[in-house]
Amino acid sequence: EPEVTQTPSHQVTQMGQEVILRCVPISNHLYFYWYRQILGQKVEFLVSFYNNEISEKSEIFDDQFSVERPDGSNFTLKIRSTKLEDSAMYFCASSEFTGTSYEQYFGPGTRLTVT
Amino acid sequence: GESVGLHLPTLSVQEGDNSIINCAYSNSASDYFIWYKQESGKGPQFIIDIRSNMDKRQGQRVTVLLNKTVKHLSLQIAATQPGDSAVYFCAEQLTGFQKLVFGTGTRLLVSP
Repeated sequence: EPEVTQTPSHQVTQMGQEVILRCVPISNHLYFYWYRQILGQKVEFLVSFYNNEISEKSEIFDDQFSVERPDGSNFTLKIRSTKLEDSAMYFCASSEFTGTSYEQYFGPGTRLTVT
Repeated sequence: GESVGLHLPTLSVQEGDNSIINCAYSNSASDYFIWYKQESGKGPQFIIDIRSNMDKRQGQRVTVLLNKTVKHLSLQIAATQPGDSAVYFCAEQLTGFQKLVFGTGTRLLVSP
């Protein structure tokens, strides 16, 4: 069964550094998402992306964050000048279409630790 | 992909029992609801969904019930197995929006 993959599984970085989290969505999917989960908290939506544009974003997704689809397969989340509070699990998801009733398939996540 | 939290509600059942996991959702305008399962080290995995024009939907060993009057969603797992042990999240979505809004999660522990 096709699945979303993410690399790395764990990223440790120092405060103030930039990180890039990578995702390979399911190949025929058109919509891509990033979510995060701070330890012990809910999964929170960050951003959705379609046709090389951000289609929806949350208030968490400020200028510190950016997303990109640099080629036909990867989808990346860049976090500039990381802060301690950015430590979380970051999940990528993809769906064939968007809107209600279209399942979002999640990857295994990247654990980001900012020290 | 752990969602371990010191305050995560936990449901402990014996293998073979039926499990009921509850969720209160936040937005009365939400019209699509999903249950996800999250095992340790993995991302959320789709279990079953339901639209707001339904009050019950059944899958294989799972049933989702929706009570829009009190904004309540439940997941029933029949004949629970040790492999069902995980954290279960409900999520809601509004028409016209792409984001899923997740609940806090419930940890299900199944003893053999």
